[in-house]
Amino acid sequence: GAGVSQSPSNKVTEKGKDVELRCDPISGHTALYWYRQSLGQGLEFLIYFQGNSAPDKSGLPSDRFSAERTGGSVSTLTIQRTQQEDSAVYLCASSLAGTSGDEQFFGPGTRLTVL
Amino acid sequence: GENVEQHPSTLSVQEGDSAVIKCTYSDSASNYFPWYKQELGKRPQLIIDIRSNVGEKKDQRIAVTLNKTAKHFSLHITETQPEDSAVYFCAARAGGFKTIFGAGTRLFVKA
Repeated sequence: GAGVSQSPSNKVTEKGKDVELRCDPISGHTALYWYRQSLGQGLEFLIYFQGNSAPDKSGLPSDRFSAERTGGSVSTLTIQRTQQEDSAVYLCASSLAGTSGDEQFFGPGTRLTVL
Repeated sequence: GENVEQHPSTLSVQEGDSAVIKCTYSDSASNYFPWYKQELGKRPQLIIDIRSNVGEKKDQRIAVTLNKTAKHFSLHITETQPEDSAVYFCAARAGGFKTIFGAGTRLFVKA
């Protein structure tokens, strides 16, 4: 079946503009995660959604970042008033959830460049 | 807050030798420890994981060990091959779904 998809694959924007990044998880996966990966760095946790529970937003770096998940499926990560330090690859992952030991399947990422 | 430290940041080995990557975690509630491999320009993929109720798990040339008392876990790759060259990430997850990743180890296997 189809894996996790993300769009756009690349996004170039000007400092101060808002951007929206989209994630389509694997069908049936109830958990969805967003990570940020700066060049040559590790994966920085941003936020996760699990079913109808309140999302864990503890990794969002500032109030310019927000995310929502509509209908328990597609998720959108929004960055307002982008800054150059926001430039990174934004990765989305999904998992079946239900236990704390399940595999996360990653999307291809969105490469964001803020000029 | 939660933290996962990973060492070394870069590792170079000869083909056929073993490679060991070590991680420590800070949250004593962590109970699930996955390892992901990320090849250049590709997405991370799970290669092996271990839960807190076991001390060791092996899958062919890959093994992971866990010391809960010391809050250490390690990845062991034996008989390394050039296709093992990639960045490897350890991670730790507590009872919820928040997963904290290490900074990654870039492994080079020289033919």
